Formats: sequence, C-alpha cells, structure tokens
Amino acid sequence: AQSVSQHNHHVILSEAASLELGCNYSYGGTVNLFWYVQYPGQHLQLLLKYFSGDPLVKGIKGFEAEFIKSKFSFNLRKPSVQWSDTAEYFCAVNGGGTDKLIFGTGTRLQVFP
Amino acid sequence: GAGVSQSPRYKVAKRGQDVALRCDPISGHVSLFWYQQALGQGPEFLTYFQNEAQLDKSGLPSDRFFAERPEGSVSTLKIQRTQQEDSAVYLCASSPHRGTGGGTDTQYFGPGTRLTVL
Repeated sequence: AQSVSQHNHHVILSEAASLELGCNYSYGGTVNLFWYVQYPGQHLQLLLKYFSGDPLVKGIKGFEAEFIKSKFSFNLRKPSVQWSDTAEYFCAVNGGGTDKLIFGTGTRLQVFP
Repeated sequence: GAGVSQSPRYKVAKRGQDVALRCDPISGHVSLFWYQQALGQGPEFLTYFQNEAQLDKSGLPSDRFFAERPEGSVSTLKIQRTQQEDSAVYLCASSPHRGTGGGTDTQYFGPGTRLTVL
C-alpha cells in the first residue's frame, strides 16, 4: 500500500531563512507527487506537482520541489521564507491506476519576522 | 470563479444522530472526492465519484457512511448513528477531468465541514 512520511512535524524559522521540508513515499510503481498548503483559516490549495519530465518542479510563491526516485523523496524547498509562508504543508501521492490522494500527516511551519 | 463550497461549515451532533454534509463542486468538474481529516492528521480518502458513478468507496470506514451524487454535480455525505470517533473535518475536492487513473489532475478543495460528535 502507498504511504507518505513527513518527518518534520513543526518547523520554526525566522524570515529570510531557507526552508526544506522532507517527504518520503513508499510505492514501487509510477507515482504523481503533490505539495498542498493550508494557510490559517483557508482551504487546502495546490503548491506544486510532479508527474513527469524535469524532476525539479517550480510552484507558486517561490517554492520548488525535487523528485529523487532513488530515494523515494519529494522534498519542498524555498531559499528565503516570509512571514506569509506560515501555514501547514502536506505532501501527497497517487499512483497505481488510482486518482485518490494519499497524504502525509503535514508539517506546521511558523515564520517569525 | 466560485470554488468548491461545503455546508454546513460546522456541525455538532449528539452521538447516535444522523448527519448530512453537502458539497458543491466547481461547475463542470467531473470528478469529486471526499476526505476525512482527523485532528493533527492529513486528509484520508473516503470515496470518489466520476459524474454520478461512485467508482471507489474503499475508504469509507463503516457501513454507517454513505455518499451520493445523483445528478453528477452536488454530492452528499451521510453518516448514520454518529459516534465520537467520527469527529473530524470532512473535505470535498473536485477536479475537472474524467479520472483515467493517470492521477495528474489537480484536486480543488473546499473549506471543509467540521463535525463534532458529543
């Protein structure tokens, strides 16, 4: 069965610090990978996704993620965070002929000015 | 344009009551998903529709949970004889394309319904 692990449950950073959130998945076949973000009081929205091509994917608001197949990883990065990036971040995967998303438990990011 | 809407936003039920949660997907979206998000967890898949057909209900936790989308647009998730463990946020998502198993479509999420069972 597919599963997703997000190792960082709570990350606290100062503005302008660099960010990397880990995401590992378990599935041996072809997968599609997603990062969703939930800002305080708002609904889940897509940050970026990967399904084929260049393994370095760029998303909205300066975020990027790199798919490393050999490591089953899809880590999220941002070189310089802002206070407005304070949110919960979810990694998700689907594959194996199904459209349903399997989510990780999420990482709560707090950015202090 | 309008996004996915859900109602009610908050629901408090006494244990044993039946509840109905509504989802209005983005107009024209073919696929509709329901997820359950417990406190401190990520969303967990419940069920999936393509138009009015329920193609996957493998995530429904028990036969007390029932979902329908009779005309291929609005969907209702019904929970009978609610239990305390049903307390969670119920999320609805829609995507524009017919699900082909490719899984690359973006799912657009609603704000969720927070269900509290006392």
